[in-house]
Amino acid sequence: AQSVTQLDSQVPVFEEAPVELRCNYSSSVSVYLFWYVQYPNQGLQLLLKYLSGSTLVKGINGFEAEFNKSQTSFHLRKPSVHISDTAEYFCAVRPQGAQKLVFGQGTRLTINP
Amino acid sequence: SAVISQKPSRDICQRGTSLTIQCQVDSQVTMMFWYRQQPGQSLTLIATANQGSEATYESGFVIDKFPISRPNLTFSTLTVSNMSPEDSSIYLCSVVPNEVVYEQYFGPGTRLTVT
Repeated sequence: AQSVTQLDSQVPVFEEAPVELRCNYSSSVSVYLFWYVQYPNQGLQLLLKYLSGSTLVKGINGFEAEFNKSQTSFHLRKPSVHISDTAEYFCAVRPQGAQKLVFGQGTRLTINP
Repeated sequence: SAVISQKPSRDICQRGTSLTIQCQVDSQVTMMFWYRQQPGQSLTLIATANQGSEATYESGFVIDKFPISRPNLTFSTLTVSNMSPEDSSIYLCSVVPNEVVYEQYFGPGTRLTVT
C-alpha cells in the first residue's frame, strides 16, 4: 500500500519570499508523483508531475519539485511567491501499473503582504 | 487534457433524502473516478466508474450508499443516498483521458451540505 505525508498542514509566508512544501511517501512499488493545487471553491489543478528522467521537474506558475528516491520525497518549491498562490496544495502518488491516486493531507499556503 | 463539468455545483439537502451528481466530460475518456473531500480534509477515492458494468468501490464505501452509473465514455453519475450530516462534503469527478496520459483531471466539484 502507499501513503503520502505532507509534513506541514499550514505554511504562512510573506509575498516575494521563497517557499518549500514538503511531501514524503512510502510505497513498496515504483510510483509516479504529482502536485495539485486547489484554489478556494475550485477543483484540483495539476501543477506538475514526475514520471521518470530528470529528478527536477518544472510546472506551471513558477513551481518546481525535486524527486529524491533515497529520501522518498517530492518537495515543492517556488523562489518567490505571490498573493495569488494562496491555495491548498496536495501531493499525490500513483503506483506504476495502477490508476488510483493516493493523496496527502494537503498544505494550506497563505501569502501575507 | 479534458474539460469536466459537474452538476449541481452546490446543494443543500435534508437528511434522509438523496442527491444525484452528474459528471460530463468533453471527450471520451478511459477511466472516471469519484472522490470525496470532507471539510478541511484531503481527497478520498469512493469508486472507479466502469463503463457498462458495476463500479469498483474502495474500502468503506458501498453501492447502496453511493450508487454510480456510467452509461458511456463521457458521462457518469454519483448518487448520495439516505443522506446524513456526515455526508456533507465536496464530491469530485476525475478522469484519465487514455492509457498514455498519466495524470488525472478533476472537475470543479459539487459542494453538498446536509441539514
